[in-house]
Amino acid sequence: DVKVTQSSRYLVKRTGEKVFLECVQDMDHENMFWYRQDPGLGLRLIYFSYDVKMKEKGDIPEGYSVSREKKERFSLILESASTNQTSMYLCASSLTDLLVNTEAFFGQGTRLTVV
Amino acid sequence: DAKTTQPTSMDCAEGRAANLPCNHSTISGNEYVYWYRQIHSQGPQYIIHGLKNNETNEMASLIITEDRKSSTLILPHATLRDTAVYYCIVRVGSGGGADGLTFGKGTHLIIQP
Repeated sequence: DVKVTQSSRYLVKRTGEKVFLECVQDMDHENMFWYRQDPGLGLRLIYFSYDVKMKEKGDIPEGYSVSREKKERFSLILESASTNQTSMYLCASSLTDLLVNTEAFFGQGTRLTVV
Repeated sequence: DAKTTQPTSMDCAEGRAANLPCNHSTISGNEYVYWYRQIHSQGPQYIIHGLKNNETNEMASLIITEDRKSSTLILPHATLRDTAVYYCIVRVGSGGGADGLTFGKGTHLIIQP
């Protein structure tokens, strides 16, 4: 089974702190994604990466950056955490295969609270 | 990607079939229909996808109308563990999307004992 593992289930950070959310997948997937989920707003894509060292902005990249130094690991960075970044953060991965449609696999999520 | 419309919530009795509708009237010819679900406090889970033919797997069946403007996800014998938010997503294919999935509000399915 594909496994997408997020380093923490719950985090509490202070305003202004630099925050790292880590995600690791074990199935050699090319694509990795970071979403945030908020009540009433659903899941929104922050950033995605389709290869090592490659990254693309999603719908809400402001206040975030990402790093993909190795294929299996995709990190989300909050340069200076703010209270409006309190949210559930979800990582996902998928294969790239232009001939076959495959699904995305999600981690369990990290609930981040910024105080 | 085409927009989808789903009911906000639905109830279903345990052991009965749960039929979840989705309208996607602006779907284009190269867009697939995907279904995911999210159980409380977990990440979304893939269920099934299809282009125009009906599909079945161990979790569910997907019925797509001939004009492809709507579809129905069927859970044949719903259990309490099927209580979740179900998302219908339409998108151009390839890898569950190399540019991410667009999740709407979904349908909150509640299975009643």
